[in-house]
Amino acid sequence: AQKITQTQPGMFVQEKEAVTLDCTYDTSDPSYGLFWYKQPSSGEMIFLIYQGSYDQQNATEGRYSLNFQKARKSANLVISASQLGDSAMYFCAMRETNFGNEKLTFGTGTRLTIIP
Amino acid sequence: GAGVSQSPRYKVAKRGQDVALRCDPISGHVSLFWYQQALGQGPEFLTYFQNEAQLDKSGLPSDRFFAERPEGSVSTLKIQRTQQEDSAVYLCASSLARGRWNQPQHFGDGTRLSIL
Repeated sequence: AQKITQTQPGMFVQEKEAVTLDCTYDTSDPSYGLFWYKQPSSGEMIFLIYQGSYDQQNATEGRYSLNFQKARKSANLVISASQLGDSAMYFCAMRETNFGNEKLTFGTGTRLTIIP
Repeated sequence: GAGVSQSPRYKVAKRGQDVALRCDPISGHVSLFWYQQALGQGPEFLTYFQNEAQLDKSGLPSDRFFAERPEGSVSTLKIQRTQQEDSAVYLCASSLARGRWNQPQHFGDGTRLSIL
C-alpha cells in the first residue's frame, strides 16, 4: 500500500485564487510528521510547512496552511492568493518516528500551474 | 549561510563506468540523506548518515551503490558498473539533529545522472 497518496497529477489555477493540494497518508505509527515541499523546474526541493501528528492546531506559514484531518489521515496543503511563482511540483512527505527512522517517504507529487 | 551543495550538477557516463557524486551539507548538520528521484516521480530514500555512521542503507537498490561520510561532513555516493536504470536525479539532504522531529530536511539542487 502506498504510504503517501497524491491523487492530483496536475492542477491549473487562476492567479490570485486559492488552491488546495490533496495528500492522504497511511501509517500505524502514532507519532509521525508530515511535510510539504515545492520543487520548481530548477530541481531544488524547498521546504514549505510541517505538521506533527500530536499538534493540536493546523500549521500555517505565510500563504501556506495545512488542513490536517487526523482521523481521515489527510494533510492537504492550502495556498492562498496564488502567484505565478507558485507554479511547480509539490510533494507531500511523511516521517515515521518508530525506531528513530529519520527518512522521508514522498508521494508522486502534483504539478501546479498558475494561469495569469 | 550556504545551503546543501551537490556536485557535479550533471553527469553523463557510459554504461559500465563508475561514478561518484558529492554532497556538502549545511555546516553543523548532523544528519545526511541520499534520495533517488526518477523522472516524474517523488524522491525515494537511499541511505542515511548520523555524523560518520551509516544508520540506514535499506534503500540502496543493489550492491553497486555505496555511500560514505568518513569525517561526518562531506558525503560521496558511488555507483559502480552503472546501468541505464541508474539514470535519475540524486538528491542529498541534511538536517540539524537526530530526534528533532519538526526539523525539515534541506535539499541540494541534485545531480542529474544520465547513463548512455
